[in-house]
Amino acid sequence: RKEVEQDPGPFNVPEGATVAFNCTYSNSASQSFFWYRQDCRKEPKLLMSVYSSGNEDGRFTAQLNRASQYISLLIRDSKLSDSATYLCVVNKGGFGNEKLTFGTGTRLTIIP
Amino acid sequence: DGGITQSPKYLFRKEGQNVTLSCEQNLNHDAMYWYRQDPGQGLRLIYYSQIVNDFQKGDIAEGYSVSREKKESFPLTVTSAQKNPTAFYLCASSTRQGLNNEQFFGPGTRLTVL
Repeated sequence: RKEVEQDPGPFNVPEGATVAFNCTYSNSASQSFFWYRQDCRKEPKLLMSVYSSGNEDGRFTAQLNRASQYISLLIRDSKLSDSATYLCVVNKGGFGNEKLTFGTGTRLTIIP
Repeated sequence: DGGITQSPKYLFRKEGQNVTLSCEQNLNHDAMYWYRQDPGQGLRLIYYSQIVNDFQKGDIAEGYSVSREKKESFPLTVTSAQKNPTAFYLCASSTRQGLNNEQFFGPGTRLTVL
């Protein structure tokens, strides 16, 4: 079983739609969780950290379920500029010792 | 402007040659990392360094070597022992304070071994 699993997609959704990505992780001792965004042939950039209580940043909402070892990302009112690959990332290291494990990413294309 | 630079952007080498990829950061970060990314796979950790003059093997260190003589610099050497070196190489850095530390990535180097 992969340490971090994501649906690779691709997800092709119309502009303005809501899209949800899911991710599962295998190491129950994982400490922190993130969603990164990667544009084609570019470096990954942090989209948002994921907190136990769930967190929201504008049109983006992230949720964490530690019991099910499950992370989600919801994008509302999708824009053309949201087209990218979304990487689910888990920190399996401890405090001040980041050893990130990356999922393979879910590719999203927003259709005009 | 603060950030991470990697050079060159594209690199071509003949099989059997060692090659060194540059990574420099001016963010005053203690920790630095090297990853490789292959099509259809997630980023995989090659080496990481949490402090100057110290580094640790990641998940796929075989065929690679690093040094960390300066806080700002973390060069990666791809040796001839690396069986499949063609890949997109990404360098990252982060602080070591707190738990949810963002890793900042450089623009990457695409290495092609002919």
